[in-house]
Amino acid sequence: QKEVEQNSGPLSVPEGAIASLNCTYSDRGSQSFFWYRQYSGKSPELIMSIYSNGDKEDGRFTAQLNKASQYVSLLIRDSQPSDSATYLCAVNVNRDDKIIFGKGTRLHILP
Amino acid sequence: ETGVTQSPTHLIKTRGQQVTLRCSSQSGHNTVSWYQQALGQGPQFIFQYYREEENGRGNFPPRFSGLQFPNYSSELNVNALELDDSALYLCASSFARGNYNEQFFGPGTRLTVL
Repeated sequence: QKEVEQNSGPLSVPEGAIASLNCTYSDRGSQSFFWYRQYSGKSPELIMSIYSNGDKEDGRFTAQLNKASQYVSLLIRDSQPSDSATYLCAVNVNRDDKIIFGKGTRLHILP
Repeated sequence: ETGVTQSPTHLIKTRGQQVTLRCSSQSGHNTVSWYQQALGQGPQFIFQYYREEENGRGNFPPRFSGLQFPNYSSELNVNALELDDSALYLCASSFARGNYNEQFFGPGTRLTVL
């Protein structure tokens, strides 16, 4: 069973600090990795995608990928109350378009 | 550019009934994936359609079926509804096939089975 694991949280971070969200996956053949943000009662919104080892930065967001360790993370700098949401890690499997999601980590930014 | 749309927004059915959910893909996208999201869980992959054919299926029974139309819009049909089918149903569209396409979600349909 191919899986994506995330800590369910909640993760509480003071406003202005760095939030670090982590995800591990079991399929060594995975090549595409995504982070989605989901506000309560809303659908997931794609915020980052990463395909190769290393870091990818987009504004306040940085995705980090380590395929050897089967680990992907998301850093949010200068956290804002509007960043409070559930963050879903998603990974493709079987070298096709099927994406497996983790259960998500609830992030709470403390004003 | 038109985003992914879904209808209806909310739906209430009783056990044993049948339901059809609809999705219009984002302009330029030819692939539609359907997901079921129970409360407090991540989205679970139901199936995917590419160019009107099923292209992969998750661990869902045959009473979950789908269609994709020539304009790439899609339907999800669920027969013999069960209480556990109550969930948010999400449609996501993407372009082409392969490892690098990103999926964009519609607003979802909230299904309640009584």
